[in-house]
Amino acid sequence: QSALTQPASVSGSPGQSITISCTGTSSDVGGYNYVSWYQQHPSKAPKLMIYEVTNRPSGVSNRFSGSKSGNTASLTISGLQAEDEADYYCTSYTSSSTVVFGGGTKLTVL
Amino acid sequence: EVQLLESGGGLVQPGGSLRLSCAASGFTFSSYAMIWVRQAPGKGLEWVSAISDSGGSTKYADSVKGRLTISRDNSKNTLYLQMNSLRAEDTAVYYCAKAAPYSGSPWDFDYWGQGTLVTVSS
Repeated sequence: QSALTQPASVSGSPGQSITISCTGTSSDVGGYNYVSWYQQHPSKAPKLMIYEVTNRPSGVSNRFSGSKSGNTASLTISGLQAEDEADYYCTSYTSSSTVVFGGGTKLTVL
Repeated sequence: EVQLLESGGGLVQPGGSLRLSCAASGFTFSSYAMIWVRQAPGKGLEWVSAISDSGGSTKYADSVKGRLTISRDNSKNTLYLQMNSLRAEDTAVYYCAKAAPYSGSPWDFDYWGQGTLVTVSS
């Protein structure tokens, strides 16, 4: 199972919106509504931000939203804040009944 | 409060063995699937192995199949990862994580430990 494809880096200014893409195949992203997104600050454990493509766990800001079209999922962060600067990883359930991670995207808040 | 505390990491020579532990508290451990995820230095996340709530079902990434064994002791609220025939490419921080109860996917994880570093080097 190949890793999902994410851009290596994205950046935005405070208050702006950014979108991170996550591209897979019909055997993972395109085949199931089980795409998730994790946020990871340096030297910290990952934090679940989005699950089942669009759902936010309790306590996660509504500035974070998810979507999917075909084999590509997206994470959008609106009203960028300095604290959003982190690495972001997408995951997807797969046809092998396992999970595949994306390569990760480094978000820089300018 | 949910807590996951990994231990057992360290420096080991290629071909050697280690056993990682993940002590869980603050939730009914026996009710949740668990996973080990690793992160090589400066690299992304990679799932390693997962186990069902009862321990009766396990899965492994191809990169570790036959060398790593996941298990759990629900009476001790502890998850394990027995690591044999270790290679340099197994060097990573190993995280344990708990399945999220609100997701329909068995592969979403809402609580993670802080990780334990495994270094495979001569």
